[in-house]
Amino acid sequence: AQSVTQLGSHVSVSEGALVLLRCNYSSSVPPYLFWYVQYPNQGLQLLLKYTSAATLVKGINGFEAEFKKSETSFHLTKPSAHMSDAAEYFCAVYNNAGNMLTFGGGTRLMVKP
Amino acid sequence: EAGVAQSPRYKIIEKRQSVAFWCNPISGHATLYWYQQILGQGPKLLIQFQNNGVVDDSQLPKDRFSAERLKGVDSTLKIQPAKLEDSAVYLCASSALAGGSGELFFGEGSRLTVL
Repeated sequence: AQSVTQLGSHVSVSEGALVLLRCNYSSSVPPYLFWYVQYPNQGLQLLLKYTSAATLVKGINGFEAEFKKSETSFHLTKPSAHMSDAAEYFCAVYNNAGNMLTFGGGTRLMVKP
Repeated sequence: EAGVAQSPRYKIIEKRQSVAFWCNPISGHATLYWYQQILGQGPKLLIQFQNNGVVDDSQLPKDRFSAERLKGVDSTLKIQPAKLEDSAVYLCASSALAGGSGELFFGEGSRLTVL
């Protein structure tokens, strides 16, 4: 079964600092991987996705993620945090056989002024 | 293009009462999902429909939860009777044809509080 693990349920950074949110996956087949963002009282919005093309994926709002097969990782980064980035971030793996997403536990990003 | 619509946004009930949530997916999306998101956790799949057929309901507590998508478009998720541990946000999502790249489009969710 495919799964993802997000290290750190809470991450706090200062405005302008680097954002790094960690995600490790487990999959017996080449995975499709996703990052979603959830703002308070809203649904999930797709940030970016990896579908076996370029290993460095660029998404919306200046975020990017790098697929590293040797480390089974798909960490999310942003060079400079903005106050508006404060939200919950979810890593997910796509189960191709079942056409469904399996989510990690989420990481709440807090941005300090 | 209209997104995934859900209602109601908020619902407060007492335990042992019943509740129903409605979802209208993006037009033309064949696959519809209901996820349960408990506070502080990631979404967990409850049930997946392909058109009006159930693809996966292995995580659905069938003694109290039921869902239908009779005409292959909108869907209703029902809980009867509700328990305290059912307090959560119920997210509906839809996607295009099966075998796609896996992008799901989510509604804003229905937040249930069971007292």
